[in-house]
Amino acid sequence: DIQMTQSPSTLSASVGDRVTITCRASQALSNWLAWYQQKPGKAPKLLIYKTSTLETGVPSRFSGSGSGTEFTLTINSLQPDDFATYYCQYYNNYLFTFGPGTKVDFK
Amino acid sequence: EVQLLESGGGLVQPGGSLRVSCQVSGFTVSRNYMSWVRQAPGKGLEWVSVMYADGRTYHADSVKDRFTISRDYSKNTLFLQMNNLRVDDTAVYYCAKDLGLGGDSWGQGTLVTVSS
Repeated sequence: DIQMTQSPSTLSASVGDRVTITCRASQALSNWLAWYQQKPGKAPKLLIYKTSTLETGVPSRFSGSGSGTEFTLTINSLQPDDFATYYCQYYNNYLFTFGPGTKVDFK
Repeated sequence: EVQLLESGGGLVQPGGSLRVSCQVSGFTVSRNYMSWVRQAPGKGLEWVSVMYADGRTYHADSVKDRFTISRDYSKNTLFLQMNNLRVDDTAVYYCAKDLGLGGDSWGQGTLVTVSS
């Protein structure tokens, strides 16, 4: 089974900061990597799919990149609405795997 | 408008069974791949099961042989039959359409509590 890690597990930041979250896999992945944002008590919201494609309606300050075993989500100029938990999610061989999550909180 | 509405959650004793449902509207449940994802209290997201349009189903190792995903075309509804429930199955269960793809959609979740 492919194991996924995210770093950091918690990130303290301020409004206006550039934030980068990394998702690493135990073996090389295809580009079927997605990023979700989740706020307490709410269902996750898709931000990025296929590594770097921005979901419709998601602000352009969010971007995704990567290949192989390392993928990143970048938030340029963090906004108050962005304080949340972020998950990477991978699809392979009909199965799905979520990373453990990264909580972005106020510094 | 695409909508997913889960129901059927509740309190069940360890070893018991429960079936949760996901009533959908705005699309046909049998023409998309549909998933169940759960989240234990204070924990991260865990993929549980998927059913593809062609009827193939897959389950996470943690629920294999205990949980079964199915759908009813006439009711446009997705189900998750959960048997031999354990305390660590306690979670909010979400159904999702086209997980990980552009345009995916999620329900609001239904809470399943396994406790004696």
